[in-house]
Amino acid sequence: QVHLVESGGGVVQPGRSLRLSCAASGFTFSSYGMHWVRQAPGKGLEWVAVIWHDGSNKYYADSVKGRFTISRDNSKYTLDLQMNSLRPEDTAVYYCAAKASTSLDHWGQGTLVTVSS
Amino acid sequence: DIVMTQSPLSLPVTPGESASISCRSSQSLLHSSGSNYLDWYLQKPGQSPQLVIYLGSNRASGVPDRFSGSGSGTDFTLKISRVEAEDVGVYYCMQGLEIPHTFGQGTKLEIK
Repeated sequence: QVHLVESGGGVVQPGRSLRLSCAASGFTFSSYGMHWVRQAPGKGLEWVAVIWHDGSNKYYADSVKGRFTISRDNSKYTLDLQMNSLRPEDTAVYYCAAKASTSLDHWGQGTLVTVSS
Repeated sequence: DIVMTQSPLSLPVTPGESASISCRSSQSLLHSSGSNYLDWYLQKPGQSPQLVIYLGSNRASGVPDRFSGSGSGTDFTLKISRVEAEDVGVYYCMQGLEIPHTFGQGTKLEIK
């Protein structure tokens, strides 16, 4: 059974950093592209970043480019999102999602990040 | 970026009746493979999103055959026949053709 569990969320002041993690199990992690998608309170879904199955390529939404870094460790079945220079508009539930080929097949339960002074 | 536009944004439905949601993209989602890179996701209240339809018309594993997806190019439709109480939530379309992937605004389906 596929399982994605995010962690690392919390309350952080503007300008500070936070690192999110996503622990995967129940599937061949190294065969899946991994994405981060976020959802601001009461709002819709916003795609944030992707990393290829082998880590060879990484892409970001313009809203986080230069501030966020996505990474993965296929030996540990983990996905990370390093978030620097956080802004109040980064406040959201952050989901990790696994993509086998064309779709976000599996999603975690999400972790809440609140950026506030 | 590809802009995704859904309608309606709110959809009250009587149980047992059908419901349709439209999704339009600002560019064609037709891939050179012949598939449309358009997915539908459902976010039930208090839950994470879940895949319902992929590549425009394919039901994800475990999705009842009451759900169907159609369309090609820039115009897509999600149809739910015989709506049940368990179908409530917010439906999102998403294009997976280009990065950044982009979502529609979401359509909230509720039971009358």
